[in-house]
Amino acid sequence: NAGVTQTPKFQVLKTGQSMTLQCAQDMNHNSMYWYRQDPGMGLRLIYYSASEGTTDKGEVPNGYNVSRLNKREFSLRLESAAPSQTSVYFCASSVEAGVANEQFFGPGTRLTVL
Amino acid sequence: GENVEQHPSTLSVQEGDSAVIKCTYSDSASNYFPWYKQELGKGPQLIIDIRSNVGEKKDQRIAVTLNKTAKHFSLHITETQPEDSAVYFCAARQAGTALIFGKGTTLSVSS
Repeated sequence: NAGVTQTPKFQVLKTGQSMTLQCAQDMNHNSMYWYRQDPGMGLRLIYYSASEGTTDKGEVPNGYNVSRLNKREFSLRLESAAPSQTSVYFCASSVEAGVANEQFFGPGTRLTVL
Repeated sequence: GENVEQHPSTLSVQEGDSAVIKCTYSDSASNYFPWYKQELGKGPQLIIDIRSNVGEKKDQRIAVTLNKTAKHFSLHITETQPEDSAVYFCAARQAGTALIFGKGTTLSVSS
């Protein structure tokens, strides 16, 4: 099993450009999450999907949109990138949200917005 | 909402020494407290967790303690080794769905 995979690994954008970060899991998990990690700020939840067909905002959703394409895939879209969105983005999945389940993280996407 | 404070932000120890990382949380309804380890260039990985009905949990060289009254929990690593060098995050789960993470502790173990 590959676990949680993310593409791309690295990306450089110019201000105003758009892009989609892709995430897929092969563990048959119901819940998936998008976090951003900034120096000294820990991990902050952007959006999550408790189950296929549902999405909810996390702590820092502004400037982002998400799509739960199917049970395996959860994408994060930046419609008009800003330098403040320079960060490392992690996707994670768990069996279910709302209970004490381990979250499995992908390797991350390092995004720079110039 | 929940707020998790983590200290220290950096910790340097000699190989073989013990390391302790402390976290406090604000929401008394939180009932699940995991610890994640993040190695350089990788995503975080769960190393141990504790639920609010348990005061202490051990797994080989690592242990976690929880004081519900004071709303704090700690990670203890004994007999540290160079491979323990990483960033460690504590987290707390509110009554709901979101895990709230602390800001992380960078642990350096020198041989």
